[in-house]
Amino acid sequence: GAVVSQHPSWVICKSGTSVKIECRSLDFQATTMFWYRQFPKQSLMLMATSNEGSKATYEQGVEKDKFLINHASLTLSTLTVTSAHPEDSSFYICSARGGLTFGTYGYTFGSGTRLTVV
Amino acid sequence: SQQGEEDPQALSIQEGENATMNCSYKTSINNLQWYRQNSGRGLVHLILIRSNEREKHSGRLRVTLDTSKKSSSLLITASRAADTASYFCATPGGSNYKLTFGKGTLLTVNP
Repeated sequence: GAVVSQHPSWVICKSGTSVKIECRSLDFQATTMFWYRQFPKQSLMLMATSNEGSKATYEQGVEKDKFLINHASLTLSTLTVTSAHPEDSSFYICSARGGLTFGTYGYTFGSGTRLTVV
Repeated sequence: SQQGEEDPQALSIQEGENATMNCSYKTSINNLQWYRQNSGRGLVHLILIRSNEREKHSGRLRVTLDTSKKSSSLLITASRAADTASYFCATPGGSNYKLTFGKGTLLTVNP
């Protein structure tokens, strides 16, 4: 089945530094990847949608310069949290969608990254 | 913005009992999906029901869809402690078929 690998699982960084999170589709080509943010005991909020080879589409209220998304290949998308602050601490999850039709692959989620900014 | 609203927000039951979670959505849909999330983990796809289907089964899961009421329900029969997790409904939409999630139901199954 389709597998999405997300790394790292957790990361602690100092305020002002940048953190990169990777999301790889292991056995399929993901033409579209989604990045979500989740606060404790809350639902997933879509941050942005990335299509391979083009600029990401950000949801309203999400800072493009703060959350840099790169989808350079059909199997890799990265989210970089720049100049991280404690309020950026959250659980970030990627999801990949691939194949010719929705029914073929559906959506596969990474295992998430717990970011703590101190 | 959230597409779906699940209720209840939290549900606590004993092992062996059935658990029912409901989801309402706002716009027209092509399909509705249910996902499970264990604490601190990613999401696992459970079941998808298309807009022209009214009921679907998968193992101990039963999903219904009422497009006239814009609602869906997920029934887990003979629950087990391992079913303890958060359950979300989600609907795809937009040019990229992005998934929009409901608020979720936290299910606790007590042994």
